[in-house]
Amino acid sequence: AQKVTQAQTEISVVEKEDVTLDCVYETRDTTYYLFWYKQPPSGELVFLIRRNSFDEQNEISGRYSWNFQKSTSSFNFTITASQVVDSAVYFCALSFSGNTPLVFGKGTRLSVIA
Amino acid sequence: GAVVSQHPSRVICKSGTSVKIECRSLDFQATTMFWYRQFPKKSLMLMATSNEGSKATYEQGVEKDKFLINHASLTLSTLTVTSAQPEDSSFYICSASSGGWNTEAFFGQGTRLTVV
Repeated sequence: AQKVTQAQTEISVVEKEDVTLDCVYETRDTTYYLFWYKQPPSGELVFLIRRNSFDEQNEISGRYSWNFQKSTSSFNFTITASQVVDSAVYFCALSFSGNTPLVFGKGTRLSVIA
Repeated sequence: GAVVSQHPSRVICKSGTSVKIECRSLDFQATTMFWYRQFPKKSLMLMATSNEGSKATYEQGVEKDKFLINHASLTLSTLTVTSAQPEDSSFYICSASSGGWNTEAFFGQGTRLTVV
């Protein structure tokens, strides 16, 4: 069975600090996809990244970066120089393919204080 | 990315009434749609998977007679909450996929249902 663990329930940081959100996953599949979504108070899910299991390259997009390590089954997300607008719940998720459902972690609530 | 439109975004209904939520793929054909439910401050849990033209597959513990899912076309799936009760109040969100291993599922905006 697939499982995603986000051990950090809530994180609070001061603006401009860097913050890393942890994600550990479990799957028996050799091919799979990993995702990160942002959920602001409005509720919609904002897609941040999708990474397939064959691509272990780290990725950077502006202030966001992701570290994928298959050896530790982790897919961590770092926000550099955090801003108040980054305050939201962040979900890590796992799926086998595009037409299978996502398994979500419990989410990490990030509060960035000005 | 592709666009999935979910309607309504918010709905308040009286206990005992039925509510229909629509999920439309606007610029692609969605062979598979997923319906998730999210309780306040909780994660998203899969309710059911629907493939166009077939009966939906419900997750364990989800009442199929209460949450009716119809996926009659490649661009529309509906979730009907029948005889809604206050405990059905939740955030419901759909995602749609064009199918295939390397495709991606796109999420609608979600529907916040409040049953009074």
